[in-house]
This record gives sequence, C-alpha cells and structure tokens, in this order.
Amino acid sequence: ELKVEQNPLFLSMQEGKNYTIYCNYSTTSDRLYWYRQDPGKSLESLFVLLSNGAVKQEGRLMASLDTKARLSTLHITAAVHDLSATYFCAVGFKAAGNKLTFGGGTRVLVKP
Amino acid sequence: GAVVSQHPSRVICKSGTSVKIECRSLDFQATTMFWYRQFPKKSLMLMATSNEGSKATYEQGVEKDKFLINHASLTLSTLTVTSAHPEDSSFYICSVRDRVTGELFFGEGSRLTVL
Repeated sequence: ELKVEQNPLFLSMQEGKNYTIYCNYSTTSDRLYWYRQDPGKSLESLFVLLSNGAVKQEGRLMASLDTKARLSTLHITAAVHDLSATYFCAVGFKAAGNKLTFGGGTRVLVKP
Repeated sequence: GAVVSQHPSRVICKSGTSVKIECRSLDFQATTMFWYRQFPKKSLMLMATSNEGSKATYEQGVEKDKFLINHASLTLSTLTVTSAHPEDSSFYICSVRDRVTGELFFGEGSRLTVL
C-alpha cells in the first residue's frame, strides 16, 4: 500500500528557532515534492527533489531527500511569522503511474 | 504569472443542481490533468486523472457518474459535480504536470458550497 506519513501534524514555533518536518513514504519513488498552503488558498510549490541526497534551499527553508531511508525533511531556519502555513509533502510512486500521494500535512504556527 | 487557471474560485449552489469547474493550462499543453478534493484541515485526495481525448481514470471510491470529467483540448479540463449534495461541499483543486521538468502546478482551487 502506498503511504506517505508526515510528522508532526502540528508545529508551534517560536520566532528565531529552528525546526524540522519529516516525511516518510512506503515504497520506491522517483520524485518528492514539498508544498505550502495558506488558509483558503491553493498549493504553492516549494521544492521538487528527484534524487538521493538531493538538497534544495530557498530562504529559510531547506529540503533534503534520502531515498534509501524513504525520508525527506523540510528544515526551517530561524522561523518567522510569515512562514505560518500548512506544509505538505507529496510523493510520486512509480507503481501508481507517478500519480502523487500526499502526506497529511503539517500545520505550522509561528508565534512572536 | 499563473501556470494553471481554475474557475470559478467560489460557487454556491442548491442541492440537486450541477456545477461545472474549469481548469486551464496556460503555459503548456497538458495531455494529463489531475483533480483533487480537499476537506477542511485535511490533505488532498486524488479524485481522477483527466486524459485528453479519452476517458478519465477515477480513483477507487470516486463516483464516475457524479463527478464528470471532460478533457476536450490540450489546455482545458472540466469537472462537473452532478446533482450536488451538501456532502459534496469541498475545495476542488486541479493540477497540471510539466512533462519536461516533472514539476506539478496547481490551480487556485474552487470552493464549492452546496446548500
């Protein structure tokens, strides 16, 4: 069964501190995505990770992929209020024709 | 600018009526588009894969006759919610994959409220 598990489901952050969101998946994948969703809005693409060891960074966000462990992490450095949103990882499974399966999402609230 | 345009962004309808949602790929031709559904504070659930010029492929548990998908051109897919009921109220999002980069772009979403 194709599963994508994200944790934590909710993350209360203090401004200026660092945090990590984890995304585990159940079987071989050839691509992993991270998205941000603001309340009432659609998804904004953050990163696409295509290979083992891939690391991408944009501002205070950094995503990495370990295909052997079937794990991706989204690291937030020195959190700021603007990063409050829900973050989703999504995995393309070859067995499913590369359709995306989404994790449950991590709701992030950055407090001053 | 937007790569995928979805319309309408919000729609309110009465039970029993049908509602059509459009998804347009603006930057490239898309032989495949995807339709997702999202309940409040939940993740996205793939409903169906829309294939240009052929029948859509529906995910298990999704009623084909209720959620009609038409992909008549390389830039337009439509989702019609037929005989809508209050439990169909949800956020519907379409997406398009860039075949060159593999990146997936999402429409702005359509919030359906059935009274």
